[in-house]
Amino acid sequence: NAGVTQTPKFRILKIGQSMTLQCAQDMNHNYMYWYRQDPGMGLKLIYYSVGAGITDKGEVPNGYNVSRSTTEDFPLRLELAAPSQTSVYFCASSFSGEGAHGYTFGSGTRLTVV
Amino acid sequence: QKEVEQNSGPLSVPEGAIASLNCTYSDRGSQSFFWYRQYSGKSPELIMFIYSNGDKEDGRFTAQLNKASQYVSLLIRDSQPSDSATYLCAVPSSNTGKLIFGQGTTLQVKP
Repeated sequence: NAGVTQTPKFRILKIGQSMTLQCAQDMNHNYMYWYRQDPGMGLKLIYYSVGAGITDKGEVPNGYNVSRSTTEDFPLRLELAAPSQTSVYFCASSFSGEGAHGYTFGSGTRLTVV
Repeated sequence: QKEVEQNSGPLSVPEGAIASLNCTYSDRGSQSFFWYRQYSGKSPELIMFIYSNGDKEDGRFTAQLNKASQYVSLLIRDSQPSDSATYLCAVPSSNTGKLIFGQGTTLQVKP
C-alpha cells in the first residue's frame, strides 16, 4: 500500500507564482486534510474534506484553495505565492472524522517562496 | 489561550530513564487525546490515543489524563536514543472536530 502520496517533495516558487500540491491516497478514506507546519511549530489545518465534492476551511485557509473531485485526490492550490507561505505542507487522510484510528500523513512538501 | 499547548523543550533524559511529556488543552469538553511522534524531516505518526474515560498503556508508552487540570501526559519508560523526536499532542477542535496540534516537545535521549 502506498498510503498517502504527496508531490512534489520540494519546490521553490517566486513571489506571485501559483502552484498545485498534489495529494493522493489509496486507502479509500473519506476524510482528507491539508496542514502546514512552520519551523518549531505544530501543524495548522488549512482545509479538509469529508468526502468527494465536500470541502471546508480550517484554521488558516487564506491564500489557498482545494477541490475534491474523487475520493482519492485532494489537491491544494496556492495562488499568488507569498513568503508567508514558506512552510512544510502535509496531506493526511483518516478512516473516521474523529481521528480515532489515526491520521495517515504523507511525506510532506517543503515549499520555499522567494 | 491556545487550544493545545506544549513546552517546546528540548527535554533531555539519559537512556533508560522515564521521559514525561505534558500537554494542556483549553476545551473542558474534550473527549479524546492523541500523541504523535515526528522524527526530524519526517511526517507525524500516531503512537497513542486515549479517551476521557481512562489512561492507556502500550508497551513502554503510557498516556494519562488529568481532567481537573486539563492536561494529558505521555510517559516513556526505559527511554532509548531512538525515542529522540518531537512529540505532538492533538485534540479535536470544538469548532471543526478536526485535530488541533500543539507545537510539540522535542525529546533528546542521551546514550
